[in-house]
Amino acid sequence: GIQVEQSPPDLILQEGANSTLRCNFSDSVNNLQWFHQNPWGQLINLFYIPSGTKQNGRLSATTVATERYSLLYISSSQTTDSGVYFCAGSYRSGNTPLVFGKGTRLSVIA
Amino acid sequence: SAVISQKPSRDICQRGTSLTIQCQVDSQVTMMFWYRQQPGQSLTLIATANQGSEATYESGFVIDKFPISRPNLTFSTLTVSNMSPEDSSIYLCSVDRGPGTEAFFGQGTRLTVV
Repeated sequence: GIQVEQSPPDLILQEGANSTLRCNFSDSVNNLQWFHQNPWGQLINLFYIPSGTKQNGRLSATTVATERYSLLYISSSQTTDSGVYFCAGSYRSGNTPLVFGKGTRLSVIA
Repeated sequence: SAVISQKPSRDICQRGTSLTIQCQVDSQVTMMFWYRQQPGQSLTLIATANQGSEATYESGFVIDKFPISRPNLTFSTLTVSNMSPEDSSIYLCSVDRGPGTEAFFGQGTRLTVV
């Protein structure tokens, strides 16, 4: 079936720490993307990463499509990184609509 | 990127009433998508809205409860009808630029039904 699984479900970090979030996805899922939902509910696209590695500032992501997983790295975490991180992929031809994982809730404390 | 303006950002409504949520995109897009996020949960697709045709609803969602309009290539509305407290959720619209591009979301509408 269609599956997008994220781990860990919850994560608490001290400011300045690094972390790795994982997303496993089934064969029927494509076009992997990572999102950050801030405490106000807004969803921001961090990476469109169906394969390979991308970096944007303190964030980077790697997707190994052949092994059906993706990783999101957060370095030198800041309190503003707090929120929920979702990975999502499409299950139909084209990019959307998306199937979302259950998310990783990150709390960065000062 | 795509800029999506979603209104209202939040509302508190009485049970039995209806609320219409609007999404305006800064450029033409073929499909727009509506999602629901129940408290503490992930996002679930409600329906796909194509311009000039009936919206396509996912299992568990029906047109009578969530009527959708798509009058042109930059605008769509979702109505939550005959609301009950179980409809309290964040509702989000989304677009992309086609295959090989990322998805963008509106700011979301935080609905509370009392």
